[in-house]
Amino acid sequence: DIQMTQSPSSLSASVGDRVTITCQASHDIKNYLNWYQQKPGKAPKVLIHEASNLQTGVPSRFSGSGSGTDFTFTISSLQPEDVATYYCQQYDNFPSPLTFGGGTTVEIK
Amino acid sequence: QVQLQESGPGLVKPSETLSLTCTVSGGSISRYYWSWIRQSAGKGLEWIGRIYTSGNTNYNPSLKSRVSMSVDTSKNQFSLKLSSVTAADTAVYYCARDNWAARPGYFYYYMDVWGNGTTVTVSS
Repeated sequence: DIQMTQSPSSLSASVGDRVTITCQASHDIKNYLNWYQQKPGKAPKVLIHEASNLQTGVPSRFSGSGSGTDFTFTISSLQPEDVATYYCQQYDNFPSPLTFGGGTTVEIK
Repeated sequence: QVQLQESGPGLVKPSETLSLTCTVSGGSISRYYWSWIRQSAGKGLEWIGRIYTSGNTNYNPSLKSRVSMSVDTSKNQFSLKLSSVTAADTAVYYCARDNWAARPGYFYYYMDVWGNGTTVTVSS
């Protein structure tokens, strides 16, 4: 199985800060990577698919980039409503199993 | 707008079988993959497996020996069974719709609609 390593596991930033999360795959997954946001007590919500495509209705302050094994998720200006845990998820070599990263919890400083 | 709702017992005894159903409303179950994902308290997301409306399935290798999924297109429902449960199977279980498309040089696959999740506790 493909392993996904996310970092950091948690971070604290101020409102308006630029926040960056990285996700590294154990094998080349091309651009077959999604990013999800999960707020406390809620189901996850897809923000980015195919590494860099913003899901319809998601604010443009969220973005993703990368291909191969190294990926980045960015919040350009952190807002209070962005407090959540963010997960990357790969879907390479379909129909092989999907795997998630360990998550990054974002808090407001 | 498509909505998903998980249902099933919230308490299961050790060694018994966990059974959950996901009901799809507001849209057709056809031509999509449907996944089950779980999350233990304070932990990350674990993909359990997927089923297509034809009945084809793929499972997480770590759970494959205990998992089975089925689909009932007439009821717009799909189901999960997990046998021989232990306390380690205590989790919030989510069902989700897998949105996908494949063309030469282009492939996307992501879970775009999720149920609210249902908590299953394994305890005697």
